[in-house]
Amino acid sequence: DAKTTQPPSMDCAEGRAANLPCNHSTISGNEYVYWYRQIHSQGPQYIIHGLKNNETNEMASLIITEDRKSSTLILPHATLRDTAVYYCIVRPYSGGGADGLTFGKGTHLIIQP
Amino acid sequence: DGGITQSPKYLFRKEGQNVTLSCEQNLNHDAMYWYRQDPGQGLRLIYYSQIVNDFQKGDIAEGYSVSREKKESFPLTVTSAQKNPTAFYLCASTPSRGATNEKLFFGSGTQLSVL
Repeated sequence: DAKTTQPPSMDCAEGRAANLPCNHSTISGNEYVYWYRQIHSQGPQYIIHGLKNNETNEMASLIITEDRKSSTLILPHATLRDTAVYYCIVRPYSGGGADGLTFGKGTHLIIQP
Repeated sequence: DGGITQSPKYLFRKEGQNVTLSCEQNLNHDAMYWYRQDPGQGLRLIYYSQIVNDFQKGDIAEGYSVSREKKESFPLTVTSAQKNPTAFYLCASTPSRGATNEKLFFGSGTQLSVL
């Protein structure tokens, strides 16, 4: 999998938008960007993924730069329950039955009241 | 409700003992995975299985064994050969081949500690 670089920690005020950056300068043309989050002592939870277009779902928005070398996950109105470790992962789509994803250390997002 | 169930939540192992962690899913997923997580670290892949009766080693398979006799079940045995087994173990699954996305569904984890 291509390597990703994320800041180890970030703070955000409750109610504000949380913008989590991820650098993936060696990403290949067929590699997707995935985001997961892990609340303390629980299993990671899928958030969103994309290839080159911006994506939005009920949880977040994913903005991928035109050169695809970086992306930003946006939580539009952060709540205390969004405090978690957020993982950015890049890998090629393999048609299902994949050989797993590689999770780095991620960004510990702390939402301040 | 559909999902992945891991048991037990907490498990203690004595020196030289084998222990088995359970993972059951009712999502009808073909692929299942075991990850290990150490404090403050990311997840590392131990074993994965893409289909019944078949499994592959991940990055840190030494000291572990698995079986996949049923689609719903993927138990992990931590053997006495694993000298540093204390960690948080996570089981996951993904939909069948040809799915248009590959999001992983995770269980709630098992914390294994050595007595």
